[in-house]
Amino acid sequence: GAVVSQHPSWVICKSGTSVKIECRSLDFQATTMFWYRQFPKQSLMLMATSNEGSKATYEQGVEKDKFLINHASLTLSTLTVTSAHPEDSSFYICSATISGTGLFGYTFGSGTRLTVV
Amino acid sequence: DAKTTQPNSMESNEEEPVHLPCNHSTISGTDYIHWYRQLPSQGPEYVIHGLTSNVNNRMASLAIAEDRKSSTLILHRATLRDAAVYYCILRTQGGSEKLVFGKGTKLTVNP
Repeated sequence: GAVVSQHPSWVICKSGTSVKIECRSLDFQATTMFWYRQFPKQSLMLMATSNEGSKATYEQGVEKDKFLINHASLTLSTLTVTSAHPEDSSFYICSATISGTGLFGYTFGSGTRLTVV
Repeated sequence: DAKTTQPNSMESNEEEPVHLPCNHSTISGTDYIHWYRQLPSQGPEYVIHGLTSNVNNRMASLAIAEDRKSSTLILHRATLRDAAVYYCILRTQGGSEKLVFGKGTKLTVNP
């Protein structure tokens, strides 16, 4: 079945530094990837949608200059949290699908727990 | 995407069936009903989806009301590993590919 690998699974960084999270589709070409953020005891909140080779589409209220998304290939998307602050500490999850087939299921990564100290 | 309503939490005993309800009274004819679940500290995983007819797979069954305004995810024999948050989501054919999560139902399975 379709597998999405997310790396790292957890990261601790100092306030003001940047952190990059990778999301890879291992056995399929993901034309569309999604990035979510989840705070404790809350549901997933969609941050942005990225299509290979084009700029990401950010949800309302998500700062595109703070959360940089790159989807340069059909198997890799990255999320960079720039100038991280403690309030950016959260569980970040990516999802991938083949464009036009989303009706038949999305595959999610295992998530990255970011702690900013 | 149309909205769904689920109970905040449910409890079950191990090896008993579990029926997780979902209301989607504003569903349109092109909306597919998807179920995902999220185990603690993991990303969500696909469970099942359907349009009009009931569906079965190795994980669960999906029973869809005749008017499609509600559906029920059925776990035939709950195990401790089924303890998770279950999300019922509508996806519109031809619409946005975004998957928007509601609050879901937290299922607790008692040994």
